[in-house]
Amino acid sequence: EAGVAQSPRYKIIEKRQSVAFWCNPISGHATLYWYQQILGQGPKLLIQFQNNGVVDDSQLPKDRFSAERLKGVDSTLKIQPAKLEDSAVYLCASSLESRGEQFFGPGTRLTVL
Amino acid sequence: AQSVTQLGSHVSVSEGALVLLRCNYSSSVPPYLFWYVQYPNQGLQLLLKYTSAATLVKGINGFEAEFKKSETSFHLTKPSAHMRDAAEYFCAVSFFTGFQKLVFGTGTRLLVSP
Repeated sequence: EAGVAQSPRYKIIEKRQSVAFWCNPISGHATLYWYQQILGQGPKLLIQFQNNGVVDDSQLPKDRFSAERLKGVDSTLKIQPAKLEDSAVYLCASSLESRGEQFFGPGTRLTVL
Repeated sequence: AQSVTQLGSHVSVSEGALVLLRCNYSSSVPPYLFWYVQYPNQGLQLLLKYTSAATLVKGINGFEAEFKKSETSFHLTKPSAHMRDAAEYFCAVSFFTGFQKLVFGTGTRLLVSP
């Protein structure tokens, strides 16, 4: 069974630029999560989708971050414009259903200069 | 609010020694508790989970954890460390607001020396 795929694996941008990350969850998984992991901290949930609907985006900085999950499969997370403090690893995870085990992708490491 | 505290950002052991990684939780409802491992440049992998069944939970790679309600603890142990156990370990608590939400600790990096 293929795992959660994420791209790109690494991204370096300058502040005020825009960036987008892509996630392809495990086939058939209805729930998709985006986490932000700042160096030295544990992952923090940014947004959670159930199929293509948002069920929790309480910790998403909506003035600069946006996410979508078209057709309830792939998802993209966008930052526009980026700030220095956005430097982090962005992890995508998926689960079969909302209470199921979460499977994590390898993450995208973002560096904002 | 639910939270977890991991004591010690770094733990060093010798190969073959006991591994003990500490996690204390705070939860207003009976918690579900998890330990995840993260190897360099990889995502998180579930080691084990407590979901209100047996208080001693066995996971993968020889790890186990014991839920102690009186101490609000869920420490991770392994009798004999191996070099391949060197990684970052995260404790997490889960609660439900209609949907499962994981709250992670800050992590403990395990260093294993020959």
